[in-house]
Amino acid sequence: DAKTTQPNSMESNEEEPVHLPCNHSTISGTDYIHWYRQLPSQGPEYVIHGLTSNVNNRMASLAIAEDRKSSTLILHRATLRDAAVYYCILRDRNYGQNFVFGPGTRLSVLP
Amino acid sequence: NAGVTQTPKFRILKIGQSMTLQCTQDMNHNYMYWYRQDPGMGLKLIYYSVGAGITDKGEVPNGYNVSRSTTEDFPLRLELAAPSQTSVYFCASSDRGGTPQHFGDGTRLSIL
Repeated sequence: DAKTTQPNSMESNEEEPVHLPCNHSTISGTDYIHWYRQLPSQGPEYVIHGLTSNVNNRMASLAIAEDRKSSTLILHRATLRDAAVYYCILRDRNYGQNFVFGPGTRLSVLP
Repeated sequence: NAGVTQTPKFRILKIGQSMTLQCTQDMNHNYMYWYRQDPGMGLKLIYYSVGAGITDKGEVPNGYNVSRSTTEDFPLRLELAAPSQTSVYFCASSDRGGTPQHFGDGTRLSIL
């Protein structure tokens, strides 16, 4: 399975944008890029996913590099509630059963 | 909407005991999954199911068993509990293999 690399931790100030990077240099053409987050003492929560084009939804934006070897999750205005561990995951379009969760990025939001 | 419901939320077992972790979903999803999460780590897939009557092993299946007799339910059985199985267990479901997964709130299991 293709792997992802994320920074262990990041900090942001409240109401400022946050850019969470993810490297996936061995991504295959059929891999979707998924982002999940996990708030303290809760199960993971789906954030966004994409294949080639940038994606937007009510929670975040996903910017995918042209060569697809990296992507960035963008939170436009961080709130205290966005403090969580963020996971970047590759999921094969055809064999998507096995999610491989790495350690993720722990995002701290400062008031 | 209930989504994915896991019971119990907490449990303490003695070494060698057995128990079943319950998971039910009300979204009519075909796919269901069991993960475990050790402290400070990401999630690891234990078993998954692509539909009633069909299950398959994930990354860490040893010491666990599953069954899927209905679309809604996907129980996880621990036989002969060991301290290494102390973890938080998450159940999830999805419509298809590549679609977003919906997670329950987890079961915290301690084996002493």
